[in-house]
Amino acid sequence: QVQLVQSGAEVKKPGAAVKVSCKTSGYTFTSHWIHWVRQAPGQGLEWMGIINPNGGSTGYAQKFQGRVTMTRDTSTSTVYMELSRLTSEDTAVYYCARDHSNSHANAWWLDPWGQGTLVTVSS
Amino acid sequence: SSELTQDPAVSVALGQTVRITCQGDSLRTNYASWYQQKPGQAPVLLIYDKNNRPSGIPDRFSGFSSGNIASLTISGAHVEDEADYYCNCRDSSGYYWVFGGGTKLTVL
Repeated sequence: QVQLVQSGAEVKKPGAAVKVSCKTSGYTFTSHWIHWVRQAPGQGLEWMGIINPNGGSTGYAQKFQGRVTMTRDTSTSTVYMELSRLTSEDTAVYYCARDHSNSHANAWWLDPWGQGTLVTVSS
Repeated sequence: SSELTQDPAVSVALGQTVRITCQGDSLRTNYASWYQQKPGQAPVLLIYDKNNRPSGIPDRFSGFSSGNIASLTISGAHVEDEADYYCNCRDSSGYYWVFGGGTKLTVL
């Protein structure tokens, strides 16, 4: 079955960077884009960006432009999300999720999701 | 940038029907997808591509879209439907996606 398994929780100091991994299995890695979504404590879901594992092209939410980098390793079917210059406002659970689309119907959706990675930013 | 607006909280009596709405300009051209999230868990896809349900999602969940409004209907709410619900849509003008603010559903 399709699985997205993320790396473990991280604790970082303000100003540092964090790199979260999302290892995929159960499907052809290059056939689906991968989204990154985060959720601050008690808050809603926030879309961060998307990466195409086939070629590595990316698209980032304007809020994170210049601070986020999404990459992939086709040899291990893993995607990565690195966020730099961390502040306490980046404390959140970070999720990866597989993209699906029906472009004929202008429909896109995310399924399945990884289990989430808690990133805590604290001095 | 485009936004999706949801009511922050909705309640429903056990066994009754409830509709959760999502409003935004991108919905005029793109379909919304819907997600359920329970405390401490990752979101789960409920509705996609007009009104389709993944396998394992009960048929009491349905979706509808008209103009700039998408809606999720739960017909006959169960206790286990108490959760947060989010809509999501690809923005029509750019290469990004957006989530609604989420609706907390309480089953009374």
